[in-house]
Amino acid sequence: DTGVSQDPRHKITKRGQNVTFRCDPISEHNRLYWYRQTLGQGPEFLTYFQNEAQLEKSRLLSDRFSAERPKGSFSTLEIQRTEQGDSAMYLCASSDGTGDTDTQYFGPGTRLTVL
Amino acid sequence: GQNIDQPTEMTATEGAIVQINCTYQTSGFNGLFWYQQHAGEAPTFLSYNVLDGLEEKGRFSSFLSRSKGYSYLLLKELQMKDSASYLCAAMDSNYQLIWGAGTKLIIKP
Repeated sequence: DTGVSQDPRHKITKRGQNVTFRCDPISEHNRLYWYRQTLGQGPEFLTYFQNEAQLEKSRLLSDRFSAERPKGSFSTLEIQRTEQGDSAMYLCASSDGTGDTDTQYFGPGTRLTVL
Repeated sequence: GQNIDQPTEMTATEGAIVQINCTYQTSGFNGLFWYQQHAGEAPTFLSYNVLDGLEEKGRFSSFLSRSKGYSYLLLKELQMKDSASYLCAAMDSNYQLIWGAGTKLIIKP
């Protein structure tokens, strides 16, 4: 069990560019979550997958954001036409979706800076 | 609405004990989580409570009162490496986590 991994760890881009992040969950975890976190705040929920199905998406998420989990394993988060306000840490978490606890385990995050 | 409240910052002395409080209001309740987050790193899981009472895990303990919508994280024998933010999160009826803004704990020698 290698834990949740994310790639890249850091991304600097210019405003208006598109970026894509990847998350590899803990193997056999069927739930995968994307969060965004800014300094001094808790994680903000973006979206959530159960296997390959995207079950929930935050109402705060603009249509510039899209996420996929095509085979129920890794997931990608794409941000189109980035804005300076998109600068944040993007966190991925996974859980096994069983039992009462359903603890989420986080990856190291991708820090996005939009210039 | 759904809301989590916890202090913004606390300071404590190495070797001492500190209690970080958290109050929550959620639509339904499926447990209370505490995570530790060092600066620039991802949150790491510390504890989970769903029943009233105290759960002890080494130097860390977590308490829950469902009737009061209240939890605390107790850290004993503080070490410098415990300097971090501590995030309280409540799981609602849809099994989604509602997060607090975190409590930044500063440990002084």
